[in-house]
Amino acid sequence: AQSVTQPDIHITVSEGASLELRCNYSYGATPYLFWYVQSPGQGLQLLLKYFSGDTLVQGIKGFEAEFKRSQSSFNLRKPSVHWSDAAEYFCAVGAKGGSYIPTFGRGTSLIVHP
Amino acid sequence: DVKVTQSSRYLVKRTGEKVFLECVQDMDHENMFWYRQDPGLGLRLIYFSYDVKMKEKGDIPEGYSVSREKKERFSLILESASTNQTSMYLCASSATGDRYLRSPLHFGNGTRLTVT
Repeated sequence: AQSVTQPDIHITVSEGASLELRCNYSYGATPYLFWYVQSPGQGLQLLLKYFSGDTLVQGIKGFEAEFKRSQSSFNLRKPSVHWSDAAEYFCAVGAKGGSYIPTFGRGTSLIVHP
Repeated sequence: DVKVTQSSRYLVKRTGEKVFLECVQDMDHENMFWYRQDPGLGLRLIYFSYDVKMKEKGDIPEGYSVSREKKERFSLILESASTNQTSMYLCASSATGDRYLRSPLHFGNGTRLTVT
């Protein structure tokens, strides 16, 4: 069975600083990987996804993520954080074969200081 | 853009009441999901449906049931609400077919249910 670990429950950064949110997955083959963002009081919005090919994927709002097979990681990055990026971020993995039900990590809460 | 609409943003119900949470999507998606979100626990899948009248249990189906009579609508039912069902409930949908395993989920804005 697949699983996702987001090691950091909370991350605090200053506005303008760079950001990296960690995500590690467990799955036997190449997974499908996603990052979602949830602003306060809202549902989840897809930031970016990785299916195959280039291991560095670009998403919306200036985010990117890099798939590293050797480390079973799919970390989310942003070079300069804006106050509006304060939100909950979820990593998810989807498996090949059978019904598609993604597995979500527990989320990382991003706090942005002015 | 895909739109997933949950009928209520906030609900307050009493213990023992039967509660209906409604979700409608407008993109002809085959798959629909109900998640529960609690602090520190992330998203937990309650039920999902891959076709009209089809449903499968997720990780935490106890105390819940679902109904999918039309493709665009997926209802979550709490047969007898209890205080431990106080939570945020998120509905989602995704496409299937040739892009079956590649379609991300599209989420509604959630329903915050309080059972007193």
